[in-house]
Amino acid sequence: DTGVSQNPRHKITKRGQNVTFRCDPISEHNRLYWYRQTLGQGPEFLTYFQNEAQLEKSRLLSDRFSAERPKGSFSTLEIQRTEQGDSAMYLCASSHKTGPNRMNTEAFFGQGTRLTVV
Amino acid sequence: AQSVTQLGSHVSVSEGALVLLRCNYSSSVPPYLFWYVQYPNQGLQLLLKYTTGATLVKGINGFEAEFKKSETSFHLTKPSAHMSDAAEYFCAVSGKTGANNLFFGTGTRLTVIP
Repeated sequence: DTGVSQNPRHKITKRGQNVTFRCDPISEHNRLYWYRQTLGQGPEFLTYFQNEAQLEKSRLLSDRFSAERPKGSFSTLEIQRTEQGDSAMYLCASSHKTGPNRMNTEAFFGQGTRLTVV
Repeated sequence: AQSVTQLGSHVSVSEGALVLLRCNYSSSVPPYLFWYVQYPNQGLQLLLKYTTGATLVKGINGFEAEFKKSETSFHLTKPSAHMSDAAEYFCAVSGKTGANNLFFGTGTRLTVIP
């Protein structure tokens, strides 16, 4: 098990272009999360999936953002018409049910994709 | 609604000294509480978590934290700082349903002085 994998690690794009990031969660983890982290701040929740279903979306996730997890395994996060304010680290995490109560109590994070919009 | 306040964006300690990083939370439901560490250009690594049961939780690398409901606090401590502890530390809270939708504090950067 190699942990949560995110690609690319870095992306520089021109304003107005579309970008897509990929996240491969830990095998058999049923939940997958996307967070955004700007410089000097803690991560902010964007959205999460349980298997292929997108169960929650933050108000931060504008209509230019879309996330998918088509087969309940890897996920993609697409940003359309990028803006300079989209520059951030995009973190993916995954979790699975553990413990006697079968709850998702620990999220494992990937190394993130750093997006720079110029 | 859940939120976290981390007092002190920067903390400096001498090598071998006590580390104390403060975290206060607000939660409308019984909270799950977490401390994560982040090294430069890396993702977050879980140090420890409180879900239920014992209020003093021990984590990796000699860190521990105590859940104090009356003070709505979850401060992180380590008896003796090591140079390798220099990093950014984040406290996070989630609702009773588990690790979904973590609310993070703004982080505390720990510097260890040799």
